[in-house]
Amino acid sequence: DQQVKQNSPSLSVQEGRISILNCDYTNSMFDYFLWYKKYPAEGPTFLISISSIKDKNEDGRFTVFLNKSAKHLSLHIVPSQPGDSAVYFCAASAGGVGGSQGNLIFGKGTKLSVKP
Amino acid sequence: NAGVMQNPRHLVRRRGQEARLRCSPMKGHSHVYWYRQLPEEGLKFMVYLQKENIIDESGMPKERFSAEFPKEGPSILRIQQVVRGDSAAYFCASSPGGVIAEAFFGQGTRLTVV
Repeated sequence: DQQVKQNSPSLSVQEGRISILNCDYTNSMFDYFLWYKKYPAEGPTFLISISSIKDKNEDGRFTVFLNKSAKHLSLHIVPSQPGDSAVYFCAASAGGVGGSQGNLIFGKGTKLSVKP
Repeated sequence: NAGVMQNPRHLVRRRGQEARLRCSPMKGHSHVYWYRQLPEEGLKFMVYLQKENIIDESGMPKERFSAEFPKEGPSILRIQQVVRGDSAAYFCASSPGGVIAEAFFGQGTRLTVV
């Protein structure tokens, strides 16, 4: 029973274009969402997060959108760069802002390839 | 300030042996989290520890697995009598307080059971 789903295993975009990575969740108790980036043979790196009281959070080239009614969030990367090529994980928490308790539920990830 | 250090990076064990995975948190971090990533899967929460205390072990298998974070020294994830299904990447993260969004992950230990 997957509570966090990333239905696209891979995504390929051209350098300079927008990358949109999608994530769906089923548990309405989730109130905090995070995106992580992971390179091969490395640990995940925190990218950006959003609380359920917001519908958008922006940090430089990265923007996360949350649609609570649809239980859907997306990560937009604009403009995409070859260095963005990595696996992106969506994660959710029911532990309040910041995701206390440490129990994150991760999706399976989407492998993004940005072609020069 | 060194990052979260995990060792060994790669560990090969025969079925039935014990595996010990170490995690040294970042300086000043007293909260440690362990996650496991099976092939083609996302990370799955195992256990959350604060110095000398287990806060949440709801993701830990009931048998063969244990974790500790002593007052001094690294956090240890111990797997007794390993089986092939234990083969995975094990990631540790640490944070200064109990906020996972502030946590940094280590590079992981890849356990292979042969």
